[in-house]
Parts: sequence; C-alpha cells; structure tokens
Amino acid sequence: GDSVTQMEGPVTLSEEAFLTINCTYTATGYPSLFWYVQYPGEGLQLLLKATKADDKGSNKGFEATYRKETTSFHLEKGSVQVSDSAVYFCALPYPNTDKLIFGTGTRLQVFP
Amino acid sequence: DTAVSQTPKYLVTQMGNDKSIKCEQNLGHDTMYWYKQDSKKFLKIMFSYNNKELIINETVPNRFSPKSPDKAHLNLHINSLELGDSAVYFCASSQGGGRADTQYFGPGTRLTVL
Repeated sequence: GDSVTQMEGPVTLSEEAFLTINCTYTATGYPSLFWYVQYPGEGLQLLLKATKADDKGSNKGFEATYRKETTSFHLEKGSVQVSDSAVYFCALPYPNTDKLIFGTGTRLQVFP
Repeated sequence: DTAVSQTPKYLVTQMGNDKSIKCEQNLGHDTMYWYKQDSKKFLKIMFSYNNKELIINETVPNRFSPKSPDKAHLNLHINSLELGDSAVYFCASSQGGGRADTQYFGPGTRLTVL
C-alpha cells in the first residue's frame, strides 16, 4: 500500500548549516506530497507541498522537489536557524480520500 | 482568531475515568479529524468526519467515540481510560471532498492517564 519513509532523527546542526531531510514514498499514481512542521508544544502546520511531478514546493527558505524517478521529496534548506528546530513530517494522501499518511517524523535540532 | 481550537490543553486523570476533548474550527471546512501522537511523535489518524458523517474510522477501540454536533465541531469522548491512552490528541480540519487539501491542526491536548 501507499507509504512514506523518512530518515530517522534527530538531525543536529549548527546555525547556518545546510539541511537535508530525506523522504521517499510508495504510491499508486502521482499524489500530492506534503511537508508539515511541528514546533515544540504546537500542532502540525503545512510547510510546503507539491501537487505533481517535478514541482518544487517552497516556503520560509525550505524547498522540496517532487521527483517521480526516485520517488522522493527531500526537504532542503540552505542555512538553518535555531528557530527551525522542530519535528518535520513528510506526508501523502491515501488514494481518493482526505486521509493523509504521515512519515514517522524527523526531529531537527539547530544549535547557535 | 484561532482557526482550530481544542480544549482542554492538558488533561490528567485516573485509569477507568471517562473524559472528553472538544474541538472547534472556524475555517468553514467540511472535514474534521482526530489524530493520536505518541511519545515518539508517531502520528496516527483515528477518525474523520465530513459534514457530521463518519468517513474514516481506523482501528480504534470502541472506548473512543467521536461526536460531531455540527460541521464546525468534533468532540472526542473516551470511556474507561487506560494507561496506554496517554498521548497528545490533535484535532484537524480541511476542506475535504477527497482532494487531500491542506489540513489545519489544533494545538493538541496532552492526556495523561495515571
């Protein structure tokens, strides 16, 4: 069935370092793909999304490109800040439903 | 204005008790959800309602009963609480219609069962 696999965390970086969080998916067809972020003590919020192959989603300096050849949607940021410390979830919708399948989440810790 | 709100934010209770968590959204969305997040941050959908009708019911013990009095509210009632119910429960909403639109999450309710 459809699924999402994320790299395990925590990912620990110094401020201004380059970030990559890997996400690969298995899906029927070409669903939209999402990255959600959960800041400490808060609910999840959409970070970015891509609706079709080769689309690039971007927001707050984060980017992810929908690559159907490698079935990947890796999250990247060129220069992380302490305020980016959070848990990041990759997600895709279950076919023809509103249900989202979330990855296991990757904790990012950024130190000054 | 808060888009998706939940009450209470924290809930501490004894095993065997019955408790409810309330959720309201002011986004005009048709679909609402309940998720459970465990201590390792794993997020699992429990229920989904569309216009007050249950459309997703994952394998959840029947001690959990969602109730949707109208499409802006989705409450979660839990009977006979167990230790394993301790988690953070999130309510969310989306436009719905099978389009997998962006989901908007509430701030969560941290339930601790002693």
